[in-house]
Formats: sequence, structure tokens, C-alpha cells
Amino acid sequence: QSVLTQPPSASGTPGQGVTISCSGSSSNIGNHPVNWYQQLPGTAPKLLIYGNGQRPSGVPDRFSSSKSGTSASLAISGLQSEDEADYYCAAWDDSYWVFGGGTKLTVL
Amino acid sequence: QVQLQESGPGLVKPSETLSLTCTVSDYSISSDYYWGWIRQPPGKGLEWIVSFYHSGTTYYNPSLKSRVTISVEMSKNQFSLKLSSVTAADTAVYYCARDCERGHSSGCFDFWGQGALLTVSS
Repeated sequence: QSVLTQPPSASGTPGQGVTISCSGSSSNIGNHPVNWYQQLPGTAPKLLIYGNGQRPSGVPDRFSSSKSGTSASLAISGLQSEDEADYYCAAWDDSYWVFGGGTKLTVL
Repeated sequence: QVQLQESGPGLVKPSETLSLTCTVSDYSISSDYYWGWIRQPPGKGLEWIVSFYHSGTTYYNPSLKSRVTISVEMSKNQFSLKLSSVTAADTAVYYCARDCERGHSSGCFDFWGQGALLTVSS
């Protein structure tokens, strides 16, 4: 059972927008930035967003994040077939890093 | 471009100590970044294990801290993870990675190894 709660699955059609939520508490999301990762099948995770919504070089601006209280969200606009992957949120929790359980995004 | 490569035995017996090494290319591990280990059991999510800085500052996952040892070999640009008293629950793909922000542990790992599967079985 993960400290950060994500829905196990999400879906959308090409061109649509989709949002993935990540729910935590005051000891993590409520007081610390949230990082987001994308993991394609059989590959290592890729950093999508970190800190206060910053994107590493090469990550398209179709990916964005937001935070409100103890919850955070990853938004993907203009969904593409290559976005089909697992997505994980992560945050500091008092003394260690925690990940969400992951959300499997299906592009229909 | 930073490159990381994990290496390990692949199979470890229960109660023994798991040992993995991460070899880093094209970047010195004595530079201003934290380095870490993250694991992923088959078909499951990610679990952060440890992050460390070359100065010695180390952060541990509390659930694993008593069994984890980190060591660094600067001359080989390598760092290693040892996990003692392993059980089947430690079977996972183990990744080494570099934190993305200079000088502090931000948990934003921007460079990853390809991962090494460690199976615990007799």
C-alpha cells in the first residue's frame, strides 16, 4: 500500500486530454514538491516533471502538473499513442522519498 | 550524457546478502549530485531505497535502512548497494539513478540505468 494514492488506470483517445491524480497528506504533497515519472513497458522510468512544475529538456509542454493542498495532478493534453505508459508521482515524506502506486494510461 | 549501468549476480539465495554495483560513465560521482537506488518488484510499482552524496550524506528508506549498506569506489566511478537477509519480497529490478538538482536530494532522478533483475530463490 503506497503512501501516495493514484488511480490504477486511466484512458483517453488520441487528441484528448487526460488527468492523473496523486493523493497524499501534509507530510508529503502538502509540504513538498511532487515529481512525475513516465515508464514505458520494459524500460526505466523517465523524469517528466519535477520541483514546481519544471520539465527536463526534451519533455513536451503537453505534460504539466498542478498541486492543491495534499493532492497533485499530472495533465497530458493532445494525447498520443506513445503516451501509453505507467505514470508515477513521487514526493518527500518527512524523511524519505515515496512513490505513488502508479497509473496505467491506455490510449484507446 | 550521463550513463549508468547496474551489474549483479541475478540470483541470490534467501537470507544471503544481495550485492549490486552501478558503474557511471561520462560523469564523476564525486560531482555535485546525489545518486540513488530504486527498485521495482515484477509487475509492481517503484520503491526508493537510498540516496547519497559523495560527502557521505545519505538518506534511507526507513523500511530498508537496517539492511542497506552503500559504498563508493571513486577511482572506478562506481557505487554499490548491499541488502542483507534477503527474502523473496526483495525480488525486483534494481535501478541506479542520478538526482536532477545540484547539491541536494530532490528525488527527481533524471538519468537511470537500464535496471538489473535480482531474483531471490533457493
